[in-house]
Amino acid sequence: GAVVSQHPSRVICKSGTSVKIECRSLDFQATTMFWYRQFPKQSLMLMATSNEGSKATYEQGVEKDKFLINHASLTLSTLTVTSAHPEDSSFYICSASWAGGPYNEQFFGPGTRLTVL
Amino acid sequence: DQQVKQNSPSLSVQEGRISILNCDYTNSMFDYFLWYKKYPAEGPTFLISISSIKDKNEDGRFTVFLNKSAKHLSLHIVPSQPGDSAVYFCAARPTGTASKLTFGTGTRLQVTL
Repeated sequence: GAVVSQHPSRVICKSGTSVKIECRSLDFQATTMFWYRQFPKQSLMLMATSNEGSKATYEQGVEKDKFLINHASLTLSTLTVTSAHPEDSSFYICSASWAGGPYNEQFFGPGTRLTVL
Repeated sequence: DQQVKQNSPSLSVQEGRISILNCDYTNSMFDYFLWYKKYPAEGPTFLISISSIKDKNEDGRFTVFLNKSAKHLSLHIVPSQPGDSAVYFCAARPTGTASKLTFGTGTRLQVTL
């Protein structure tokens, strides 16, 4: 089945630094990738949708200059949290899908736990 | 504005019995619904889905029921097993390719021995 990986699985950083999270589709070409954030005991909230080769579409309330998304290839998307602050600490999850896939299902990565000190 | 709601944050069921997880939605544009299972510190895994043209979809121990007029869907797991203990999210999306999913807040299912 479709496998999506994320790296790193967890990261701890100091306030003010930038953190890059990678999302890879391992056995398929992802035409679309999604980035979600989940706070404890809350739902997955979509942050942005990115299509390969074009700019990401951000959800309302998500700062595009703070959460930089790059979808440079059909198998890789990156999320960079710039100048991270403690309130950015969360569980970040990506998902990937491809046009013509099983009813365009999204396949999720294992997530990245970000802790900003 | 929570368009997909799971009003029960937790549910405890004895092994072998039926687990029923409920989900309500408000957006009439949603026409495809999915259930995901999630373990702590892992991404959600797809469980079962249903299109709005159906009112029931079954896959092994898992059955999803959709009541469009009530904007309600439910996931039945029978018989429940300890390995089913996880957080279950329902999700919905409107018609369209790779359309974004709107998730509910999740229900933590605990299957006890």
